[in-house]
Amino acid sequence: DAGVIQSPRHEVTEMGQEVTLRCKPISGHDYLFWYRQTMMRGLELLIYFNNNVPIDDSGMPEDRFSAKMPNASFSTLKIQPSEPRDSAVYFCASRPRGGTDTQYFGPGTRLTVL
Amino acid sequence: QKEVEQNSGPLSVPEGAIASLNCTYSDRGSQSFFWYRQYSGKSPELIMFIYSNGDKEDGRFTAQLNKASQYVSLLIRDSQPSDSATYLCAVNMGSGGYNKLIFGAGTRLAVHP
Repeated sequence: DAGVIQSPRHEVTEMGQEVTLRCKPISGHDYLFWYRQTMMRGLELLIYFNNNVPIDDSGMPEDRFSAKMPNASFSTLKIQPSEPRDSAVYFCASRPRGGTDTQYFGPGTRLTVL
Repeated sequence: QKEVEQNSGPLSVPEGAIASLNCTYSDRGSQSFFWYRQYSGKSPELIMFIYSNGDKEDGRFTAQLNKASQYVSLLIRDSQPSDSATYLCAVNMGSGGYNKLIFGAGTRLAVHP
């Protein structure tokens, strides 16, 4: 089975540009999570969805960040406008309903904002 | 502020030794605990989870949980150079189906031949 798929794997953009990160969760998983990882702050939860509905977005740093999940197999995280301090690795993770709380991570998108 | 604390390391052990990684957490109501391994430039991958007080063993790995002391540990027996990575402790600080994994900053483990 395919794991969590993220695209692009690397993104380099200039300050002020819009950035869209994409995620396809594991088929059948009901929960989807977006994380950001930096050296300074470690791995932080930004937002999570349950059955395509945003449940907790308290980790979204500011209004420049938005996330959507239009269907069970696709989610986007958008930054508009981007700033150099947004440079980080962004991970998407998913987990199934029930069972353990184990989350399965995608390969991540390394974002660099110049 | 709900927190998960880990020693950043690096923890350096010789090949074949036991590596002991520790983690404390602030939310006494937490119910599930995870250890993830992250190689440089890669995504976190689950090693073990533990829900009940005591020890849980899986191959060379043993997770230990003490809820009274709010303490979780991971032991790696017969450490190998391939175990060199950052180990992230994660605690589910949600309840009633609410999911919120809080990650520690990670402990970097270096196993030298």
